[in-house]
Parts: sequence; C-alpha cells; structure tokens
Amino acid sequence: DVKVTQSSRYLVKRTGEKVFLECVQDMDHENMFWYRQDPGLGLRLIYFSYDVKMKEKGDIPEGYSVSREKKERFSLILESASTNQTSMYLCASSFSGTGAGGSYNEQFFGPGTRLTVL
Amino acid sequence: QQQVKQSPQSLIVQKGGISIINCAYENTAFDYFPWYQQFPGKGPALLIAIRPDVSEKKEGRFTISFNKSAKQFSLHIMDSQPGDSATYFCAAKWGYQKVTFGIGTKLQVIP
Repeated sequence: DVKVTQSSRYLVKRTGEKVFLECVQDMDHENMFWYRQDPGLGLRLIYFSYDVKMKEKGDIPEGYSVSREKKERFSLILESASTNQTSMYLCASSFSGTGAGGSYNEQFFGPGTRLTVL
Repeated sequence: QQQVKQSPQSLIVQKGGISIINCAYENTAFDYFPWYQQFPGKGPALLIAIRPDVSEKKEGRFTISFNKSAKQFSLHIMDSQPGDSATYFCAAKWGYQKVTFGIGTKLQVIP
C-alpha cells in the first residue's frame, strides 16, 4: 500500500520565520509534487521533482523553494513566511513510467499540512 | 492555457439521485483526464480517469463522459449515497506527468 506521509498535520508559524514542510513516500516513486489547496482555487502546483536533486517550478513557486536530496524525501521551504502563505499544503508522488502522451501515472497524496502564518 | 474550469462549486443531491459535475478546458495538449475524490481530513485519491480518444468510461456507479469536440467532460455519480459526500476535482494531465486541477466541487448527499 502506497504511503505518503507529511511531517505535521497542523503548523503555526510567525511572519518572517523559515518554515520546512517534509514529505516522505515509501514506494520508490521518481516523481514528487508540492501543491497548495485553497477554497475556490483548487489545488495549485508549487514545485515538482522528477528525480533526486531535480526540480521544476509549478504554477505558483514565488516565495517557496524545495529540496530533494534523497529519492523518498521532498521538502518544501518557505524562506520567510507571510500571512498569504496560510494554506493547506499537499504532497504527492507518482511513478515515472513512460510519462508519454496517453498514459497517466496516478498521484498518491499525503494527508496534508495545514499551515497558519500569524 | 493550463486551465480546467469546473462547476458547480457545491452540489446537494438526494440519496439515490444522480450527481453531475462538469469540467471544460481549452488546451488541446492535455492528454489524460483524471478525477480525484477528497474526504475531509484526507488527501485526494484517484477515482477514475479517461483518455481523450474514449467517449465514456464507467467504474461501478461512477461514469466519465468525454466530449472532445466541445472540450468538455463530466462525472456522473449514479444512485448517490451519503458516503459519496466529498470534494471532487477534475484534472487534466499535460507534459511530463504534470496535472492541472479544477477548483473542486463539494458534494453533499442527503438521506
């Protein structure tokens, strides 16, 4: 059974703090993703990693960075947290497979971290 | 445009009724259309997915209808049950396994 775990379910931080969100998957997936989920906006991709030390910006990377030093672990970093980063953060992972057109590899999601920045 | 437009944002259906959620897109480069289901306190989980060369896919009470010419697709939940109450996201895959999600539909099935 695929498991994606996130380090915290709830987190409260102050404006300007550096925040680390950790995600670990146990299925040897090549791809890992960070999304944020906000009411009325759905899920928006922050960053994507398709291999160790490889990363790509998603739709809303501003104010965030990521780190992937090991295949199973993908960290999201808020360098200087701001109140507009208060949100639910979801991590996901998937196999690469062919990745070609006409194929889809399911993304498995963690339970999310609800971050509040005061 | 990497957008998927989803409606309605919320839906209340009587038990036993049909729930219908609609999505539309513009980008013809999308090559796969998954639907995800999310229960409160959980991450989304894949429910059903369809390729654009297929007009319909059914899994149990869940059916995706796909209209390629109109660039629209929809999820139908037949015989809706209170246990189906969740948020549903349509999505579209593009490029190398990237996915764009709709804004979500919160479904409530009342007894």
